[in-house]
Amino acid sequence: AQSVTQPDIHITVSEGASLELRCNYSYGATPYLFWYVQSPGQGLQLLLKYFSGDTLVQGIKGFEAEFKRSQSSFNLRKPSVHWSDAAEYFCAVGDQTGANNLFFGTGTRLTVIP
Amino acid sequence: NAGVTQTPKFRILKIGQSMTLQCTQDMNHNYMYWYRQDPGMGLKLIYYSVGAGITDKGEVPNGYNVSRSTTEDFPLRLELAAPSQTSVYFCASSSRQFLNEQYFGPGTRLTVT
Repeated sequence: AQSVTQPDIHITVSEGASLELRCNYSYGATPYLFWYVQSPGQGLQLLLKYFSGDTLVQGIKGFEAEFKRSQSSFNLRKPSVHWSDAAEYFCAVGDQTGANNLFFGTGTRLTVIP
Repeated sequence: NAGVTQTPKFRILKIGQSMTLQCTQDMNHNYMYWYRQDPGMGLKLIYYSVGAGITDKGEVPNGYNVSRSTTEDFPLRLELAAPSQTSVYFCASSSRQFLNEQYFGPGTRLTVT
């Protein structure tokens, strides 16, 4: 069965520092992978997605993620964090059986300190 | 386009009361979903629909019901509210064309006391 693990519950970084959020997935075939961001009191917004092709994908707000099949990982990165990046980040894997379902990790809360 | 809209934004229910959470999308999406999000947890799928007249259970359907009479609307019904249903509820929709990419509403924060 498909599943997603985000090992870091909470990460704190200084503004301007680099960021990497970890995501590991379990899926039998080539996965469809997603990162969503949730700002306080808001719904989820899609940051980026991977379906196939280039394993390094670019997203909005300066984020990127790299798909590594050998490690079953899809880690999210940003070279320089801004205070506005403070939010909850969710990794998800897509179900390809026809209902377009998503399976989410438990999320990583990012705190940015000045 | 308004995208996915949800009403109400907040609601407090007493145990045993019932209510309907409304969800509407104006993107002509075939697929719609209801999730709940508990503190410190990811989103868990309650019900989903692949088109008007077709619904199916997700991971945590107990205590909820849904219907899908039109493409645009996907209401979620709580018949006998319980404290365990205190949560934030998100509705989402997606297109058959753009696999799995879901668009989310702003959420409904429900408290059952």
